[in-house]
Amino acid sequence: AQRVTQPEKLLSVFKGAPVELKCNYSYSGSPELFWYVQYSRQRLQLLLRHISRESIKGFTADLNKGETSFHLKKPFAQEEDSAMYYCALQCGNEKLTFGTGTRLTIIP
Amino acid sequence: GAVVSQHPSRVICKSGTSVKIECRSLDFQATTMFWYRQFPKQSLMLMATSNEGSKATYEQGVEKDKFLINHASLTLSTLTVTSAHPEDSSFYICSARVRKGRPVADTQYFGPGTRLTVL
Repeated sequence: AQRVTQPEKLLSVFKGAPVELKCNYSYSGSPELFWYVQYSRQRLQLLLRHISRESIKGFTADLNKGETSFHLKKPFAQEEDSAMYYCALQCGNEKLTFGTGTRLTIIP
Repeated sequence: GAVVSQHPSRVICKSGTSVKIECRSLDFQATTMFWYRQFPKQSLMLMATSNEGSKATYEQGVEKDKFLINHASLTLSTLTVTSAHPEDSSFYICSARVRKGRPVADTQYFGPGTRLTVL
């Protein structure tokens, strides 16, 4: 069965410092991986997906199949990045499996 | 674009009553909608996948007679919690998938969620 692990429930980073939110997955096939973000009092929204290989709001994530990881990174944290971040895995059956989430707090 | 709404946003009911939650895709057609449940400080757990015009597919451990799902049109899916009990109190979230050719590349857009409290 597929599984997504986000080891950090809470992460605090100073403004301007680099950010890395960890995500590891377990799936025997070829996964599709996503990062979703939920800002305070807002709904869950897609941040980025690995197949797009894009950078959104300065965030990037690279799929490392050898390490089965999809860590989210940003070189310089901004206060507006404070939010709840969920890593998600989509398998061939089209369902999304979510990690437990990491609450990121940017310290001014 | 791709906005999903849920109604109501919050509902409080007595034990034993049934509660219906609506999920609508406002500006697109969604052939597939998903229903999730989220407990405090926990992740989203998929309850069921709802396909327009067919029966929903429930995840293991989810009672289909307890959580009735109807996806009668391409823009509306409903979740009815029948004979609700306090343990059904939770945050229920729906999402709708926009098709963009390949199924695997589709994006799920999420509703704002419905907070259900059963007294």
